[in-house]
Amino acid sequence: GESVGLHLPTLSVQEGDNSIINCAYSNSASDYFIWYKQESGKGPQFIIDIRSNMDKRQGQRVTVLLNKTVKHLSLQIAATQPGDSAVYFCAETDSGYSTLTFGKGTMLLVSP
Amino acid sequence: KAGVTQTPRYLIKTRGQQVTLSCSPISGHRSVSWYQQTPGQGLQFLFEYFSETQRNKGNFPGRFSGRQFSNSRSEMNVSTLELGDSALYLCASSLESASTDTQYFGPGTRLTVL
Repeated sequence: GESVGLHLPTLSVQEGDNSIINCAYSNSASDYFIWYKQESGKGPQFIIDIRSNMDKRQGQRVTVLLNKTVKHLSLQIAATQPGDSAVYFCAETDSGYSTLTFGKGTMLLVSP
Repeated sequence: KAGVTQTPRYLIKTRGQQVTLSCSPISGHRSVSWYQQTPGQGLQFLFEYFSETQRNKGNFPGRFSGRQFSNSRSEMNVSTLELGDSALYLCASSLESASTDTQYFGPGTRLTVL
């Protein structure tokens, strides 16, 4: 498949480990945050979202943490599997401006 | 429910030509957004359409344009293609708004400009 991004930060983990992917955002007015997963040759796939009135949200094997004080977002993946290998993007929006801004992405490589 | 579909999936054009890409949103979704993805710049917002009107526009030249039809399907057009327009063009749909509702992406159209 096509390369999603060259020279991306890369996180390499072993199957079964927990993974933490971090994202810093710059707009203090952002109030809605989303994590997307993009596999080679595919469009981004929604994983989980969180609004600014929360600091933690859990899904199936994934948890998103939001620290508004330092403008930091993280995605935790429990018991990482080879199928989790992909590029992960955080995205933020200030609902008043109606645009979604994506981070540069982090490549997650999971070894069996 | 079918996902977002984009046609064509791959396209090769030469400099100076123009191209039209098509996007069909998820049934019931009224907002359609377009993004350009390149290795160097990442995902960049092009524009969002809602009810056949452009709601928001990113920082791209006027060669990039789009439209939305009454059935929410959308097209984007790039005129006078440049080498730097080579990219993956992604369409995303959401219920009402790209900024407050979850966006679901299509597989993209890979455009290569020679």
